[in-house]
Amino acid sequence: GAGVSQSPSNKVTEKGKDVELRCDPISGHTALYWYRQSLGQGLEFLIYFQGNSAPDKSGLPSDRFSAERTGGSVSTLTIQRTQQEDSAVYLCASSIGTSSSYNEQFFGPGTRLTVL
Amino acid sequence: DAKTTQPNSMESNEEEPVHLPCNHSTISGTDYIHWYRQLPSQGPEYVIHGLTSNVNNRMASLAIAEDRKSSTLILHRATLRDAAVYYCILYDHFYNQGGKLIFGQGTELSVKP
Repeated sequence: GAGVSQSPSNKVTEKGKDVELRCDPISGHTALYWYRQSLGQGLEFLIYFQGNSAPDKSGLPSDRFSAERTGGSVSTLTIQRTQQEDSAVYLCASSIGTSSSYNEQFFGPGTRLTVL
Repeated sequence: DAKTTQPNSMESNEEEPVHLPCNHSTISGTDYIHWYRQLPSQGPEYVIHGLTSNVNNRMASLAIAEDRKSSTLILHRATLRDAAVYYCILYDHFYNQGGKLIFGQGTELSVKP
Protein backbone atom coordinates (compact mmCIF):
# COMPACT_ATOMS: atom_id res chain seq x y z
CA GLY A 1 0.00 0.00 0.00
CA ALA A 2 0.98 3.64 -0.31
CA GLY A 3 3.20 5.03 2.38
CA VAL A 4 3.64 8.60 3.57
CA SER A 5 4.49 10.88 0.69
CA GLN A 6 6.06 14.32 0.79
CA SER A 7 6.50 17.00 -1.81
CA PRO A 8 8.62 18.46 -3.12
CA SER A 9 11.51 16.09 -2.53
CA ASN A 10 13.95 18.97 -2.87
CA LYS A 11 13.44 22.69 -2.53
CA VAL A 12 16.00 25.42 -3.06
CA THR A 13 14.95 28.91 -2.12
CA GLU A 14 16.44 32.29 -1.47
CA LYS A 15 16.72 33.79 1.96
CA GLY A 16 13.59 35.76 2.83
CA LYS A 17 11.21 33.79 0.62
CA ASP A 18 8.29 31.73 1.94
CA VAL A 19 8.09 27.98 1.34
CA GLU A 20 5.36 25.37 1.69
CA LEU A 21 6.07 21.71 2.31
CA ARG A 22 3.37 19.11 1.84
CA CYS A 23 2.71 15.79 3.53
CA ASP A 24 0.23 13.11 2.50
CA PRO A 25 -0.17 10.62 5.36
CA ILE A 26 -1.18 7.00 5.07
CA SER A 27 -4.92 6.78 4.46
CA GLY A 28 -6.82 6.36 7.71
CA HIS A 29 -4.02 7.62 9.94
CA THR A 30 -5.38 10.27 12.27
CA ALA A 31 -2.09 11.36 13.82
CA LEU A 32 0.49 13.29 11.82
CA TYR A 33 3.92 14.54 12.88
CA TRP A 34 6.51 16.92 11.50
CA TYR A 35 10.19 16.57 12.35
CA ARG A 36 13.29 18.12 10.91
CA GLN A 37 16.80 16.80 10.62
CA SER A 38 19.79 19.05 10.31
CA LEU A 39 23.51 18.39 10.67
CA GLY A 40 23.86 20.38 13.82
CA GLN A 41 20.67 19.37 15.64
CA GLY A 42 19.93 15.81 14.66
CA LEU A 43 16.30 14.75 14.37
CA GLU A 44 13.92 17.08 16.23
CA PHE A 45 10.18 17.15 16.71
CA LEU A 46 8.28 20.17 15.40
CA ILE A 47 4.52 19.65 15.72
CA TYR A 48 1.89 16.95 15.81
CA PHE A 49 -1.73 16.79 14.71
CA GLN A 50 -4.56 14.64 15.97
CA GLY A 51 -7.14 15.02 13.26
CA ASN A 52 -7.08 18.70 12.27
CA SER A 53 -6.04 19.91 15.73
CA ALA A 54 -2.46 20.52 16.82
CA PRO A 55 -2.26 19.78 20.57
CA ASP A 56 1.53 20.06 20.61
CA LYS A 57 3.34 22.80 18.73
CA SER A 58 6.19 22.93 21.20
CA GLY A 59 8.89 22.11 18.67
CA LEU A 60 8.24 24.93 16.22
CA PRO A 61 11.45 26.99 16.40
CA SER A 62 9.90 30.41 15.77
CA ASP A 63 6.71 32.16 14.72
CA ARG A 64 7.93 31.99 11.13
CA PHE A 65 6.93 28.33 11.20
CA SER A 66 3.31 27.25 10.97
CA ALA A 67 1.43 24.14 9.95
CA GLU A 68 -2.09 23.18 9.16
CA ARG A 69 -3.99 20.05 8.39
CA THR A 70 -7.27 19.91 6.54
CA GLY A 71 -9.82 17.15 6.26
CA GLY A 72 -7.83 15.06 8.68
CA SER A 73 -5.47 14.20 5.87
CA VAL A 74 -2.97 16.40 4.01
CA SER A 75 -0.76 18.71 6.03
CA THR A 76 1.26 21.73 4.97
CA LEU A 77 4.25 23.13 6.84
CA THR A 78 4.90 26.76 5.95
CA ILE A 79 8.11 28.63 6.66
CA GLN A 80 7.94 32.38 6.18
CA ARG A 81 10.93 34.62 5.47
CA THR A 82 13.30 31.65 5.30
CA GLN A 83 16.73 31.89 6.87
CA GLN A 84 19.83 29.87 6.13
CA GLU A 85 19.51 28.03 9.44
CA ASP A 86 16.18 26.63 8.20
CA SER A 87 18.10 24.43 5.76
CA ALA A 88 17.37 20.85 6.75
CA VAL A 89 15.45 17.73 5.78
CA TYR A 90 11.83 18.05 6.87
CA LEU A 91 10.26 14.71 7.69
CA CYS A 92 6.60 13.87 8.07
CA ALA A 93 5.25 10.81 9.86
CA SER A 94 1.80 9.42 10.49
CA SER A 95 0.29 6.82 12.78
CA ILE A 96 -3.10 5.23 13.26
CA GLY A 97 -3.88 7.47 16.20
CA THR A 98 -2.92 8.36 19.69
CA SER A 99 -4.17 6.48 22.70
CA SER A 100 -2.73 5.05 25.83
CA SER A 101 -1.00 2.42 23.75
CA TYR A 102 1.77 3.18 21.33
CA ASN A 103 1.19 3.45 17.62
CA GLU A 104 4.12 2.95 15.28
CA GLN A 105 5.03 6.02 13.28
CA PHE A 106 5.57 5.67 9.55
CA PHE A 107 7.89 8.24 8.05
CA GLY A 108 7.97 9.77 4.62
CA PRO A 109 11.16 10.27 2.60
CA GLY A 110 11.45 13.92 3.59
CA THR A 111 11.83 17.24 1.82
CA ARG A 112 15.36 18.61 1.61
CA LEU A 113 15.20 22.38 1.99
CA THR A 114 18.17 24.51 1.05
CA VAL A 115 18.08 28.23 1.77
CA LEU A 116 20.68 30.20 -0.16
CA ASP B 1 12.37 13.47 29.08
CA ALA B 2 14.53 10.56 30.15
CA LYS B 3 17.70 10.29 28.09
CA THR B 4 19.43 7.45 26.33
CA THR B 5 23.14 6.96 25.68
CA GLN B 6 24.41 5.03 22.68
CA PRO B 7 27.84 4.57 21.09
CA ASN B 8 28.32 6.91 18.15
CA SER B 9 29.31 4.12 15.79
CA MET B 10 29.76 0.38 15.49
CA GLU B 11 31.09 -1.97 12.87
CA SER B 12 29.96 -5.45 11.98
CA ASN B 13 30.73 -8.13 9.47
CA GLU B 14 28.06 -9.37 7.15
CA GLU B 15 26.13 -12.44 8.35
CA GLU B 16 27.37 -12.03 11.92
CA PRO B 17 25.19 -11.03 14.88
CA VAL B 18 25.22 -7.41 16.02
CA HIS B 19 24.51 -6.19 19.53
CA LEU B 20 23.66 -2.50 19.76
CA PRO B 21 23.68 -1.24 23.36
CA CYS B 22 21.63 1.54 24.91
CA ASN B 23 21.87 2.96 28.43
CA HIS B 24 18.86 4.63 30.04
CA SER B 25 19.60 4.86 33.74
CA THR B 26 16.85 7.44 34.41
CA ILE B 27 14.07 5.39 32.82
CA SER B 28 10.69 5.73 34.53
CA GLY B 29 8.20 2.99 35.25
CA THR B 30 5.96 3.99 32.36
CA ASP B 31 8.71 4.38 29.76
CA TYR B 32 8.80 1.87 26.95
CA ILE B 33 12.05 1.32 25.06
CA HIS B 34 11.69 1.86 21.33
CA TRP B 35 14.12 1.38 18.50
CA TYR B 36 13.96 3.05 15.12
CA ARG B 37 16.52 2.96 12.37
CA GLN B 38 17.27 5.32 9.52
CA LEU B 39 18.71 3.96 6.31
CA PRO B 40 20.75 6.38 4.18
CA SER B 41 18.60 9.06 2.50
CA GLN B 42 15.39 7.68 4.00
CA GLY B 43 13.09 8.55 6.87
CA PRO B 44 13.33 6.53 10.08
CA GLU B 45 11.52 3.21 10.34
CA TYR B 46 10.22 1.39 13.40
CA VAL B 47 12.19 -1.67 14.49
CA ILE B 48 10.90 -2.93 17.82
CA HIS B 49 9.78 -1.87 21.29
CA GLY B 50 9.39 -3.39 24.75
CA LEU B 51 8.72 -2.66 28.42
CA THR B 52 10.28 -5.35 30.61
CA SER B 53 10.38 -8.68 28.83
CA ASN B 54 12.62 -9.49 25.90
CA VAL B 55 10.89 -9.09 22.55
CA ASN B 56 11.37 -10.69 19.16
CA ASN B 57 10.04 -9.78 15.74
CA ARG B 58 11.02 -10.45 12.16
CA MET B 59 13.56 -7.63 12.15
CA ALA B 60 15.34 -7.97 15.46
CA SER B 61 15.31 -8.92 19.13
CA LEU B 62 15.29 -6.59 22.09
CA ALA B 63 16.96 -7.69 25.31
CA ILE B 64 16.07 -5.57 28.37
CA ALA B 65 18.11 -5.67 31.55
CA GLU B 66 16.30 -6.74 34.69
CA ASP B 67 16.66 -3.26 36.24
CA ARG B 68 15.62 -1.72 32.89
CA LYS B 69 18.55 0.68 32.96
CA SER B 70 19.96 -0.70 29.75
CA SER B 71 18.87 -2.64 26.71
CA THR B 72 20.39 -4.23 23.63
CA LEU B 73 19.06 -4.42 20.12
CA ILE B 74 20.16 -7.66 18.48
CA LEU B 75 20.35 -8.18 14.75
CA HIS B 76 20.85 -11.92 14.39
CA ARG B 77 22.57 -11.88 11.01
CA ALA B 78 23.65 -8.50 9.73
CA THR B 79 23.26 -7.80 6.05
CA LEU B 80 24.57 -4.88 4.03
CA ARG B 81 21.03 -3.49 4.06
CA ASP B 82 21.19 -3.17 7.83
CA ALA B 83 23.74 -0.37 7.58
CA ALA B 84 21.89 2.53 9.17
CA VAL B 85 21.68 4.84 12.17
CA TYR B 86 19.89 3.07 15.02
CA TYR B 87 18.01 5.17 17.55
CA CYS B 88 17.06 4.01 21.04
CA ILE B 89 14.14 6.11 22.31
CA LEU B 90 12.22 6.15 25.58
CA TYR B 91 8.53 6.71 25.12
CA ASP B 92 6.13 7.19 28.00
CA HIS B 93 2.98 5.33 27.03
CA PHE B 94 1.06 6.73 29.96
CA TYR B 95 1.93 10.42 30.06
CA ASN B 96 2.95 11.06 26.47
CA GLN B 97 -0.42 10.95 24.80
CA GLY B 98 0.86 12.77 21.74
CA GLY B 99 3.24 10.21 20.36
CA LYS B 100 6.11 12.69 20.08
CA LEU B 101 9.44 10.88 19.68
CA ILE B 102 12.63 12.38 21.11
CA PHE B 103 15.58 11.21 19.03
CA GLY B 104 19.13 11.17 20.36
CA GLN B 105 22.25 10.93 18.21
CA GLY B 106 21.91 7.21 17.61
CA THR B 107 24.50 4.59 16.64
CA GLU B 108 25.76 4.51 13.09
CA LEU B 109 26.16 0.86 12.14
CA SER B 110 28.39 -0.04 9.23
CA VAL B 111 28.41 -3.58 7.84
CA LYS B 112 31.43 -4.97 6.03
CA PRO B 113 31.07 -7.62 3.35
